[in-house]
Amino acid sequence: NAGVTQTPKFQVLKTGQSMTLQCAQDMNHEYMSWYRQDPGMGLRLIHYSVGAGITDQGEVPNGYNVSRSTTEDFPLRLLSAAPSQTSVYFCASSYGVEGVHEKLFFGSGTQLSVL
Amino acid sequence: AQKITQTQPGMFVQEKEAVTLDCTYDTSDPSYGLFWYKQPSSGEMIFLIYQGSYDQQNATEGRYSLNFQKARKSANLVISASQLGDSAMYFCAMREGSGAGSYQLTFGKGTKLSVIP
Repeated sequence: NAGVTQTPKFQVLKTGQSMTLQCAQDMNHEYMSWYRQDPGMGLRLIHYSVGAGITDQGEVPNGYNVSRSTTEDFPLRLLSAAPSQTSVYFCASSYGVEGVHEKLFFGSGTQLSVL
Repeated sequence: AQKITQTQPGMFVQEKEAVTLDCTYDTSDPSYGLFWYKQPSSGEMIFLIYQGSYDQQNATEGRYSLNFQKARKSANLVISASQLGDSAMYFCAMREGSGAGSYQLTFGKGTKLSVIP
């Protein structure tokens, strides 16, 4: 029972490099999202998806792209990494129905450093 | 204005004592959900408890309870009989609205709880 799987766990990039953070869930969740966590800031929403083929921007979308070609996968792409994108990134998913089952299931996080 | 406010950056509690972590929220939507998550030093996010805006009773999950005061827009987490393993960051979060597109959560900045033996 894998839940939400994020890879890699750690990554170091140089300014200007691009990369993709992978996220996969095996719970058949319709809703998936990406958050970043910075010290003293809590978690802030980057992008989210309510189903395959549907994505939308969150609070801090600049510098990131997403796509949702399948229900299971929701990759996050950094187009040209900047030091301001140094953060811990969390992928999360849920059933997308209101009530207690709307709780988010989180991946274990990716710690990204941009030099 | 912040949608979720956690006014206690850090708190200490004696082992076996109860502790209350504060959370106030701001929304004009009649439909919303409130969540508490725990983040231990290992970094994972652990769901603790959920309260819906239309729920008549305060939510409880084992040693966790949510003191929901709708008129005051507060959703405080109460942990009874604190254990050393409760030392962690605690985040309050809110979902606003209903229907597709409303399931994203807004998080507070967190409270760091330290349990003293």
